[in-house]
Amino acid sequence: ETGVTQSPTHLIKTRGQQVTLRCSSQSGHNTVSWYQQALGQGPQFIFQYYREEENGRGNFPPRFSGLQFPNYSSELNVNALELDDSALYLCASSFARRGGEKLFFGSGTQLSVL
Amino acid sequence: GQQVMQIPQYQHVQEGEDFTTYCNSSTTLSNIQWYKQRPGGHPVFLIQLVKSGEVKKQKRLTFQFGEAKKNSSLHITATQTTDVGTYFCAGHGGGSARQLTFGSGTQLTVLP
Repeated sequence: ETGVTQSPTHLIKTRGQQVTLRCSSQSGHNTVSWYQQALGQGPQFIFQYYREEENGRGNFPPRFSGLQFPNYSSELNVNALELDDSALYLCASSFARRGGEKLFFGSGTQLSVL
Repeated sequence: GQQVMQIPQYQHVQEGEDFTTYCNSSTTLSNIQWYKQRPGGHPVFLIQLVKSGEVKKQKRLTFQFGEAKKNSSLHITATQTTDVGTYFCAGHGGGSARQLTFGSGTQLTVLP
């Protein structure tokens, strides 16, 4: 196991609602990245946080936002949920922010938007 | 933006047969990584390749990085049922890029 924990494991929301997903990074890691994985697809980069600041962002709208806390844990917030937001949301921690480091993934949060 | 393509999308093999998945990037990569995701699981890091032409082996798995650092392959010799899962390559473009760009994966089924 990686030591990266995510909560909740499953979540059902309706269109237009807001959701917050949580992630605790592996001990000793200071960088957290969030990925969205639709069914049958590879993970898509949402953003990365390093030392409590956003350190890179993929092609996702502003209604996807995040936070990183002093203990390096992180939250992903999604506002105004859309049906297409239904996916597995993966948190990954790593040691450095250079980019290209090995990622340690959590088990993910399966979000269903009805 | 950078795109990473992976083929085939699906592969069914008889246990004991070999398996290969191929990965191609639209741009030169600083490094490429491979991950395995079991059904219902999360991606697990297998290996990272950094040098042009690099070849690395892990037991029955052989990983290769192309000379131009734009393509890679994973070859499994004599597959076992424990090899079942989806194999993803993930490329890093270098420079200021922060993300890994994942391919769409190859789903491997091993028939006993």
